Amino acid sequence: EDKVVQSPLSLVVHEGDTVTLNCSYEVTNFRSLLWYKQEKKAPTFLFMLTSSGIEKKSGRLSSILDKKELSSILNITATQTGDSAIYLCAVEASAGNNRKLIWGLGTSLAVNP
Amino acid sequence: SQTIHQWPATLVQPVGSPLSLECTVEGTSNPNLYWYRQAAGRGLQLLFYSVGIGQISSEVPQNLSASRPQDRQFILSSKKLLLSDSGFYLCAWRGRQFLNTEAFFGQGTRLTVV
Repeated sequence: EDKVVQSPLSLVVHEGDTVTLNCSYEVTNFRSLLWYKQEKKAPTFLFMLTSSGIEKKSGRLSSILDKKELSSILNITATQTGDSAIYLCAVEASAGNNRKLIWGLGTSLAVNP
Repeated sequence: SQTIHQWPATLVQPVGSPLSLECTVEGTSNPNLYWYRQAAGRGLQLLFYSVGIGQISSEVPQNLSASRPQDRQFILSSKKLLLSDSGFYLCAWRGRQFLNTEAFFGQGTRLTVV
């Protein structure tokens, strides 16, 4: 059965700390891995990773995929209170002609001032 | 540019009443459409997806149904709500390109069944 596991499930840090969120997966026919940030309502897209070892970066956020280890990490440096959110990881797998997204449970990050 | 509209934002309904949540997409054609439910700020559970008008696939057995009467319209329904139907419902769309694409989400509907 395809599955995506995120860790930790919950994390509390102080402003300025650096955090590393993990996403591991077991799927057949892997196509891509996606990271989303969800504050109050709609998840917003952060990164899509398809190739192993290539870091994607956006401001203080960065992410990298390791296909050998079947995992990805999301790094946030110099955290701010605005980074408080649930971070969701999803893996796209193909099944025949269909492509489906398998979601992890998310990591709830709280950044305290 | 593409946009996705989902309504209502919040809904409180009594047990046994019907439900209709609507989602429409603008600025794209022939999208893949999805209904998700998210419990208590956790991961997303796929309820239904549709690859075209009238084509609905259900991922989990439940008290809900979905319909796609038009290319860019996706409706989530129930004839009689249960308490366990309470949750946060998200509609999403993805493109059909061969390359990988991300999913875009509506703002969600928080449903409370009382």
